[in-house]
Amino acid sequence: QVQLQQSGPGLVKPSGTLSVTCTVSGGSISNYFWSWIRQPPGKGLEWIGYVYHSGRTSYSPSLKSRVTMSIETSRLQFSLKLTSVTAADTAVYYCARERDLNYMNGAFEIWGRGTMVTVSS
Amino acid sequence: QSVLTQPPSASGSPGQRVTISCSGSSSNIGRNTVNWYQHLPGTAPKLLIYDNDQRPSGVPDRFSGSKSGTSASLAISGLQSEDEAEYYCAAWEDSLNGHVLFGGGTKLTVL
Repeated sequence: QVQLQQSGPGLVKPSGTLSVTCTVSGGSISNYFWSWIRQPPGKGLEWIGYVYHSGRTSYSPSLKSRVTMSIETSRLQFSLKLTSVTAADTAVYYCARERDLNYMNGAFEIWGRGTMVTVSS
Repeated sequence: QSVLTQPPSASGSPGQRVTISCSGSSSNIGRNTVNWYQHLPGTAPKLLIYDNDQRPSGVPDRFSGSKSGTSASLAISGLQSEDEAEYYCAAWEDSLNGHVLFGGGTKLTVL
């Protein structure tokens, strides 16, 4: 079955750039919407944005000025970059796949295990 | 602050039925389908209900979802201790070029 493997540093300095990558195994990266979602400690889930296999992206209005998502279909990978980070960006970051082909409505059926990223000097 | 409003907590005894509400607006729940997640500490969230009332394969039929107007509900019948978790609703929001909204989450305690 499809699995998502996340990788990236667990510690980022304030004002730096957070980068996390998700590798898809056991299935295709094409024709799906791939999202990033985060959960700060003690808080709820927050959708960051998606990248489609074509490279099309959409970001949360509250984060769009600092977010870039990209996809490398040949490597079965997609990535998140978040710039100018502060302590408020400390969170568990998840990658996730939408349930249906070519359809985006927030039904995330497959998730990575999560990457805890701490913003601290 | 989430635009999808959930009660912060809910509780029930084993075997009971509990419901968790999710209130939105015409630009999200009113026009789009609702999804529900179960989140246990230290694990990834699990899709419990999609498209308002559909269960993914493997989700027990004790879990059911419904939607009416700009609100949705998750019902859990035959409550079990392992159902103690955080539950989130989610829906597509049509404003601002579109994005996904999560509710604030409801902590379910099995007494």
